Amino acid sequence: EDQVTQSPEALRLQEGESSSLNCSYTVSGLRGLFWYRQDPGKGPEFLFTLYSAGEEKEKERLKATLTKKESFLHITAPKPEDSATYLCAVQATNFGNEKLTFGTGTRLTIIP
Amino acid sequence: NAGVTQTPKFQVLKTGQSMTLQCAQDMNHEYMSWYRQDPGMGLRLIHYSVGAGITDQGEVPNGYNVSRSTTEDFPLRLLSAAPSQTSVYFCASSLYRTALEQYFGPGTRLTVT
Repeated sequence: EDQVTQSPEALRLQEGESSSLNCSYTVSGLRGLFWYRQDPGKGPEFLFTLYSAGEEKEKERLKATLTKKESFLHITAPKPEDSATYLCAVQATNFGNEKLTFGTGTRLTIIP
Repeated sequence: NAGVTQTPKFQVLKTGQSMTLQCAQDMNHEYMSWYRQDPGMGLRLIHYSVGAGITDQGEVPNGYNVSRSTTEDFPLRLLSAAPSQTSVYFCASSLYRTALEQYFGPGTRLTVT
């Protein structure tokens, strides 16, 4: 059974204080690992897809990396508007979106 | 281009009542799905559809029905509401089943008393 564990559950940072969020996963064969951002009272918003170990993707202050067992979402010099819950999900080979397994998320708060 | 829309935004039901949560998308996406999100749990798939007239069960389908008569609309019906169905419900769509990016609606917060 595919599993996704995200840590920490919650993280409070000062504005400008860089850190990383972790997503550990087990999957029979990885087709893709996804990162989403979810603001309070809203639906998840797609950020990145990673396919294979060693891959990295960047968007503004966010950089996602992937190993064979985990993914990190690095946030550099965060701003208050980066406050949100970040969700990780995995999809196994030979399956589509009907087999996404989501983690419970990391709630990130950036303090001005 | 409104993306994925959901109505209502909030709903309170009494146990045993039925209702329909509406979902529509204007992106001509083939694939649509319904999730529920509960505290301490990841998003869980209820039902999904790979095209008009085709639906299938997800991880937690009991107590819910769906139909897909058009590409745009994918309503979720609660047959006889139970307190265990108190949750936030999200509709999502993607261009096709294996498309990498899913677009989520704003959600419906449902409380069953």
